[in-house]
This record gives sequence, structure tokens and C-alpha cells, in this order.
Amino acid sequence: ETAVFQTPNYHVTQVGNEVSFNCKQTLGHDTMYWYKQDSKKLLKIMFSYNNKQLIVNETVPRRFSPQSSDKAHLNLRIKSVEPEDSAVYLCASSWDISYEQYFGPGTRLTVL
Amino acid sequence: GDSVTQTEGQVTVSESKSLIINCTYSATSIGYPNLFWYVRYPGEGLQLLLKVITAGQKGSSRGFEATYNKEATSFHLQKASVQESDSAVYYCALSEFNSAGNKLTFGIGTRVLVRP
Repeated sequence: ETAVFQTPNYHVTQVGNEVSFNCKQTLGHDTMYWYKQDSKKLLKIMFSYNNKQLIVNETVPRRFSPQSSDKAHLNLRIKSVEPEDSAVYLCASSWDISYEQYFGPGTRLTVL
Repeated sequence: GDSVTQTEGQVTVSESKSLIINCTYSATSIGYPNLFWYVRYPGEGLQLLLKVITAGQKGSSRGFEATYNKEATSFHLQKASVQESDSAVYYCALSEFNSAGNKLTFGIGTRVLVRP
């Protein structure tokens, strides 16, 4: 049963455009995450957000920014996409930062 | 930094045969990391298969087992008799909590194809 929802399923855009992906969890979790899965299928964490505390992976370019309205939502905005941003973006949530994470189905981004 | 190395590529196995996916890890924290196996079935999202948070302990789920071996820094996934429904991509992962927060580090994933 899906409890972490992501929209859209996929998105195709051109270099320089801005995109925004949505994530909502109905589990009542306190922490949410964004991961990037690149063409080599490697999953890497981008952000974690817990009680309004944002922890950023230092390798994430500044054109990426998470946006949260409440603890059930964590959106991802990319200000000006580049070809290397083509990937699958996975959202996840957990009860606390030390608990296992539950993942959404992912959003596939293709940058032309 | 942390890293997870697991059997790469695709593993093909016949139904009712045994399966093992190797996983070794390197963690930078002083304490022991939590270890996980996640699985993605065709058409579904990534989901937790099993986890072990104590060194020396074994986790099990859906017929799969993995033992947290601190000395060998390994967390191999095994199943004695696979079924077609076990065809999926399996990810080994470790979780560490430090001053920077909780971080989940994944292996590259192993695709398992079970043939009837």
C-alpha cells in the first residue's frame, strides 16, 4: 500500500527551465528525504528535513532546493535544469532520523 | 565517506535454487551502522525487506536472511529456495547517525531474475 506519493511520474524539459516535484506522505512521519538515482542506478541522498531542520548533502548543486509547507510535504525545486540532472528522484520519509525509510515511486526527469 | 559494495549486475537463478547476494560496507562513524536490505519489485516502489541494527544478529523476511557480521563488515543476503516472485532489484544499505543527521548509503543494486 503506497503511503508516500510523488507527482509527476515523469517529466521532460529543456536545459535552463525550472521544474518542481511534489512529495506527500500519509504515514505521520517527522522526517522526509530526497534521493537521486542516476543513470548508473546509484542512489544518493540529497536532502533530509526534520522538524524544520534541513540537512543538505554538500555535493548537491545550489540550483536544487527543497520546499516544505508542513511535515507531510517536501517538494523539490530545480531552478535551472542541466543535462546531468536527468535521473529518477525518490522521496522518502521516516518516523525519526534513525528509523527505516519508506519510499515513493519516484519521478523520472529527462533534460533535453 | 561511507560506502556499500554489493554483487553487481544481474543474477539469474532457477526457481527453487538458492540465492546469495554479497554485500560489504565501510562506515566512518565510531559506532555500528544500521544495515538494511531494500527491494524494488517490477512496477513498485523501493521498500524495506529487512534490517539489523545489532552486530551479530540476523534479520529475516519473506524467506530471506542476512547476518550482520561486524568483523567481516558484511551483510550478505541469502534465500534457500527462490520463487519467480522474488525477481526484483535488491539494494544493500547502511544508515549512520552523526552530527550531520541520518544518512542512508546504498549499494548499486543487484537485479535478480528467477527463471521457472
